[in-house]
Amino acid sequence: DAGVTQSPTHLIKTRGQQVTLRCSPKSGHDTVSWYQQALGQGPQFIFQYYEEEERQRGNFPDRFSGHQFPNYSSELNVNALLLGDSALYLCASSPRGAYNEQFFGPGTRLTVL
Amino acid sequence: GDSVTQMEGPVTLSEEAFLTINCTYTATGYPSLFWYVQYPGEGLQLLLKATKADDKGSNKGFEATYRKETTSFHLEKGSVQVSDSAVYFCALSDSDDYKLSFGAGTTVTVRA
Repeated sequence: DAGVTQSPTHLIKTRGQQVTLRCSPKSGHDTVSWYQQALGQGPQFIFQYYEEEERQRGNFPDRFSGHQFPNYSSELNVNALLLGDSALYLCASSPRGAYNEQFFGPGTRLTVL
Repeated sequence: GDSVTQMEGPVTLSEEAFLTINCTYTATGYPSLFWYVQYPGEGLQLLLKATKADDKGSNKGFEATYRKETTSFHLEKGSVQVSDSAVYFCALSDSDDYKLSFGAGTTVTVRA
């Protein structure tokens, strides 16, 4: 049984560009959450998707947006990249009815130059 | 709002030593509590959890007890190994919330 998968593993962008990160949840999971982890800090909640809709959002600007597809996979989009967006972006999936049981993927390391 | 405060690191121990990482929390509802571990270059792995007061979570020799009276969820292991070297995160999910709120993490290094 594959766990949560994320792509790409690493990404380098320049300021002002846009980026799309992808996540496939564990089999049987229908909820996807995204977190940003800056170096040396704990993950910060960006948003959670359920039934193809954003169910909850953390304290992140509108430059951060997402999408969930009918197969439960998800994308995180960040527009107008800033240097401060450099971080590890983690995707987590949850089984139906247990949204706080979150299983994390390996993350995408984004570097903004 | 919800928050988690962890013991600051880094923590360096010798193999077979006793490990304690303190974690206290603030929550408005009745949270579930978690410990996650992050090995170098990897994502987070759920280590253990507790969903109500006085519950004890345990896994791989690690234990933590949900103490509502002291709002704490301290992580302990009786005899650490070099392979336990990692960053440990305490987290909570409040009863009316979908997100996990994490502490800043504690880096643990175990020397042979």
